[in-house]
Amino acid sequence: QKEVEQDPGPLSVPEGAIVSLNCTYSNSAFQYFMWYRQYSRKGPELLMYTYSSGNKEDGRFTAQVDKSSKYISLFIRDSQPSDSATYLCAITEDYKLSFGAGTTVTVRA
Amino acid sequence: NAGVTQTPKFQVLKTGQSMTLQCAQDMNHNSMYWYRQDPGMGLRLIYYSASEGTTDKGEVPNGYNVSRLNKREFSLRLESAAPSQTSVYFCATYRQGPHQETQYFGPGTRLLVL
Repeated sequence: QKEVEQDPGPLSVPEGAIVSLNCTYSNSAFQYFMWYRQYSRKGPELLMYTYSSGNKEDGRFTAQVDKSSKYISLFIRDSQPSDSATYLCAITEDYKLSFGAGTTVTVRA
Repeated sequence: NAGVTQTPKFQVLKTGQSMTLQCAQDMNHNSMYWYRQDPGMGLRLIYYSASEGTTDKGEVPNGYNVSRLNKREFSLRLESAAPSQTSVYFCATYRQGPHQETQYFGPGTRLLVL
């Protein structure tokens, strides 16, 4: 069993819809929770991070962590075609990050 | 300020050939990493270097070697390439700070082994 499991998608939504992305993890020692966005043929770039249970908002993006359920989510409100990308969750323990497999999202204009 | 740079961007090898992927960073981060990314598999850690002078195996180290040349540079070597090593390789650095830990990735090297 992988340490981080991510819904594989792909997801296709109309412009303006809410995108919901999810990951589960198995190791309670994980410390930080991150979401990366990766455009085609590019390296991943950090979108959001958090280290505690609850919600964290940044513009149209909300990261949610439930440590009791070992469940993390990313919500994208008012989605735009420019949000079309692969989204990866990542969780840290000391110096090492464990990544989910990624969910490819397409926002249709 | 270039961040994380990788060379080459693209490479084609024949089975059995060797090559070294180069990575350099100008962010003064202590830790550096090599990942491979394959469809449906996400990012898998090959090797990492927590600090200059140290290296450790990650999830998929077989067939690879690394060298942490100095604080800026971390290279990945394939001694005898195999088709299973066809992948996109990413180098990354790691920053720790108060309530903030994150990785910065290079643009990737696409490797095709025939």
